Amino acid sequence: AQKITQTQPGMFVQEKEAVTLDCTYDTSDPSYGLFWYKQPSSGEMIFLIYQGSYDQQNATEGRYSLNFQKARKSANLVISASQLGDSAMYFCAMREAPYNQGGKLIFGQGTELSVKP
Amino acid sequence: GAVVSQHPSRVICKSGTSVKIECRSLDFQATTMFWYRQFPKKSLMLMATSNEGSKATYEQGVEKDKFLINHASLTLSTLTVTSAHPEDSSFYICSARPWTEGYEQYFGPGTRLTVT
Repeated sequence: AQKITQTQPGMFVQEKEAVTLDCTYDTSDPSYGLFWYKQPSSGEMIFLIYQGSYDQQNATEGRYSLNFQKARKSANLVISASQLGDSAMYFCAMREAPYNQGGKLIFGQGTELSVKP
Repeated sequence: GAVVSQHPSRVICKSGTSVKIECRSLDFQATTMFWYRQFPKKSLMLMATSNEGSKATYEQGVEKDKFLINHASLTLSTLTVTSAHPEDSSFYICSARPWTEGYEQYFGPGTRLTVT
């Protein structure tokens, strides 16, 4: 069974600094996809970045990058140059067989990030 | 990006009544939709996978008779909380995957249910 673990319930970062949010996963399926979502206090889920298990390079999207270490089964999110608007809950998620229509997206426990001015 | 809507965004109902929540994909067709439940400061818990034209697949521990899911068309799935109780109060979020190939999954804005 697939499993996602986020061990940091809360994190603080100074504005303009970089921050790393940890995520480890477990799966026996060689094909899987890893996702990061941001959830502000409004509740909407905002997609940030995706990494496929067969992707050779780490995914990047603007200030977001994913540090994918396959052997260690980790997929940490790095946010560069933090902004006050980055304060939110961040969820790591995984789907086995990512292109399979029925594949379930399973979420980690979440990390609450607070950016200090 | 693709848009998923949910209605209502907030609902308050009395204990014992039923509440229906709609999830619509506005600009794409979705053969598969998912329903999640979230408690404050907690993770999203998958409740069920909704497939157009067939019965929903429920996760272990989710009561099928309490949480009725209907995926009547390629753009609409509904979740009905039957005989609601205060412990059913929660944030319910739906998501949808376009029928075309890809890894994308789009989320609705959520519905906050309060049962008094």
